[in-house]
This record gives sequence, C-alpha cells and structure tokens, in this order.
Amino acid sequence: QVQLVESGGGLVKPGGSLRLSCAASGFTFSNSYMSWIRQAPGKGLEWVSYMSGSGSDISYADSMKGRFTISRDNARNSLYLQMNSLRAEDTAVYYCVRYSSSPQRAFDIWGQGTVVTVSS
Amino acid sequence: DIQMTQSPSFVSASVGDRVTITCRASQGINSWLVWYQQKPGRAPKVLIYAASSLQSGVPSRFSGSGSGTDFILTISSLQPEDFATYYCQQANSFPLTFGGGTKVEIK
Repeated sequence: QVQLVESGGGLVKPGGSLRLSCAASGFTFSNSYMSWIRQAPGKGLEWVSYMSGSGSDISYADSMKGRFTISRDNARNSLYLQMNSLRAEDTAVYYCVRYSSSPQRAFDIWGQGTVVTVSS
Repeated sequence: DIQMTQSPSFVSASVGDRVTITCRASQGINSWLVWYQQKPGRAPKVLIYAASSLQSGVPSRFSGSGSGTDFILTISSLQPEDFATYYCQQANSFPLTFGGGTKVEIK
C-alpha cells in the first residue's frame, strides 16, 4: 500500500540539530519528487524543501536555506531532512510528501507527520 | 514569491449548504492551483488540481474554477464529513506557496 512514514521528531533546544527520516513504500520512490512541508501549531502549511528523484534538483524555502539539508537514499526508499541551528519558530509538524509533477503538480501522498518542538 | 490569499478565513454553514471559497494569487499562475482538505490531526489531502480537475476518489460535489489570479472552490451541498480546513496552493513556480486556509464549521 502507498505509504510514507516519518520518524525522528522530538524536543530539541534552540541552536540544536535534528534529523528527520521518511520511509516510503507502495510506489516508485526513485522516480518521485519528494518534499518536506511543515505546519506550526494552529497555523497553515509551509513548504520547506524538495528533491528530485535523482537528487540533482534541490530547492529550499528562503528561511531554511543554510540550516536545513534534504537528502535521499533511493536504495532504502528513504528521504531525510537534516535540521541545524533550530529556532523556536521551527516548532511544527513536519510532513514527508510526494510531489506529483505531472500531470497534477500536487502534493498527492502525505505521511502522518512527525512533531518537532524547539524549546529550552 | 507568489502570495496566496484565501477568503473567507472562516465559514459557518449547515449541511446541504452551497459553500464557495476564494483564492487569489499575487501574480498570474495560469491554472496551476491545487485545493487541499485537512481535518484535525490529519494530513491534508488533494481535492482539486490544475484549478478544476477532480482528484480520483473525491466526491463530485467538490469543484474548482478559475485561472490567472482568481480561483474558486465550490462545495455544492455540504456534507457532515466536509467540515474541515481548506487550503489552496500555487504550483506555478517555486517556492510553492499556500493560502492561509479556510475553516468550514457547522452552523
């Protein structure tokens, strides 16, 4: 069955680091654009980063550039997000999401999310 | 970056009502507009893509229209399971951006 399962969230102090993981199944992961999207408590959705299937095409939201790094291991059907220099405003549910570039151009498969809390 | 503005931010409606939600882009995005539904504690799901194409499995009471900068999501007859928050998202250019959301609540 088509599934994305995130892990790695937790409580971290400001300035700390965290690595999120996402395990994919039920679709051809290596051909898929993948993204991270976050949602702060009680707030809307914010796109964080995406990576093409081959890993050659990567993009970040401006507020994450230089602090967050997206990566993938197609042999393991896994996506990662390394988050450094974390701030209180990074507190959110982080979703691993497949981006269907054609024909929909939509985030069509979502994980259940993993909670990241940045607090001293 | 393209800014997406949804209105209203809150709708109070009854079962059977027709509900319309508007989304406006700060610049033209052709028809690259997606609508999502999110229920509390759950991940969003796609309702409409490319402004007016119904995602597989989504009931036909949901429809989308518009192009350029102005878009509309219509729920023709609100059902109990439709009470949720709805987001639009532009898919024309990176960074991909979302509207602020419209919460549909029971009157």
